[in-house]
Amino acid sequence: EVQLVESGGGLVQPGRSLRLSCTSSGFTFGDYAMSWVRQAPGKGLEWVGLIRSKASGGTTEFAASVKGRFTISRDDSKSIAYLQMNSLKTEDTAVYYCTRGGSYYGHWGQGTLVTVSS
Amino acid sequence: EIVLTQSPGTLSLSPGERATLSCRASQSVSSSYLAWYQQKPGLAPRLLMYGASSRATDIPDRFSGSGSGTDFTLTISRLEPEDFAVYYCQQYGSSPWTFGQGTKVEIK
Repeated sequence: EVQLVESGGGLVQPGRSLRLSCTSSGFTFGDYAMSWVRQAPGKGLEWVGLIRSKASGGTTEFAASVKGRFTISRDDSKSIAYLQMNSLKTEDTAVYYCTRGGSYYGHWGQGTLVTVSS
Repeated sequence: EIVLTQSPGTLSLSPGERATLSCRASQSVSSSYLAWYQQKPGLAPRLLMYGASSRATDIPDRFSGSGSGTDFTLTISRLEPEDFAVYYCQQYGSSPWTFGQGTKVEIK
């Protein structure tokens, strides 16, 4: 069974940094791209970014709203994907979901809440 | 970036009725790389359709998707009580991937 578990969310002040982790199991992690999608309270889904598998170059892509502030990395030996969020803004407040794949998303984590507030 | 506009914003229907949800793209979605998701309160989204018309695993056949280019439709042939939820479309043909703003299907 595919399982994705996000961690690392919490309350952070504007301008600070936070790193989210997505611990995966039930599949060969290194074979898949991994993505992040967020949802602000009471709002719709927003695609954040993705990291391709190493076989596909390990490249990343990001939404314009986070480009230059967020990075995604992966540790295939531990089956973990990371979302490093720098220079956080209040509008980054959301539940952050980890998803498997780099196109459409059939597997999602339960999400972790990030609140950016002073 | 491709902007996806979903309509209507809210659909009020009764169980057993047919639901037709629209997703219109600001430019053509290449190779019909369009997906649909269902989301219930407090839960992660659930994949319903991909490639515009392919049902995901374990999705009942009352759900169907159609369309190409800039106009896509999700149809629920007969609404079951568990189908009342918010539905999102997503395009993955052109980076950055984008989601529509959602359509809420509520009980009339």
